[in-house]
Amino acid sequence: GQQLNQSPQSMFIQEGEDVSMNCTSSSIFNTWLWYKQDPGEGPVLLIALYKAGELTSNGRLTAQFGITRKDSFLNISASIPSDVGIYFCAGQSSWGGGGADGLTFGKGTHLIIQP
Amino acid sequence: DGGITQSPKYLFRKEGQNVTLSCEQNLNHDAMYWYRQDPGQGLRLIYYSQIVNDFQKGDIAEGYSVSREKKESFPLTVTSAQKNPTAFYLCASRQSSYNSPLHFGNGTRLTVT
Repeated sequence: GQQLNQSPQSMFIQEGEDVSMNCTSSSIFNTWLWYKQDPGEGPVLLIALYKAGELTSNGRLTAQFGITRKDSFLNISASIPSDVGIYFCAGQSSWGGGGADGLTFGKGTHLIIQP
Repeated sequence: DGGITQSPKYLFRKEGQNVTLSCEQNLNHDAMYWYRQDPGQGLRLIYYSQIVNDFQKGDIAEGYSVSREKKESFPLTVTSAQKNPTAFYLCASRQSSYNSPLHFGNGTRLTVT
């Protein structure tokens, strides 16, 4: 089945630093989604990308849909303590296609911020 | 407020007992999903349903069962046949329109001893 490689697996950064993480795949996706999960909670959708080359921002977050449709990245500028959590990418190939439901998740990037 | 409600938040069971996790959504979404999350393993799909009275196995369906009698409800039963049931379980839903994003509930932490 399809696989997503998400990196880095974890990041230890200082408050105020910028953060960058990415997901790559050997398969093409039609949609890229980025989620954040706080400890003990469900993932929350941060940004959805629908077109190759698309660059979308949500506050201090910026995500891009790669031109090849096989990758996406998420940047966080000027990190703050509440940015701590696990960030997941997800690729969607088509309704019912690709994986069992067309959705494939990365394994997450664990962001830890040192004051 | 519209959303996905999972209950209970924490659940404790003895080995050998079946247990049912509740998931209700008032978003009028057609499709509903169950994922299992273990440390370091990301999200793994257990079952999903695109329409009432129909559901499909995901990647790790063994030891689990579901039903979809109503559009807003998709309960998951963890049976005694599931070898490692202790995990964090996430319910999700989305519209069936093309590329509609997935939305998650807040999860149920199941501990079996």
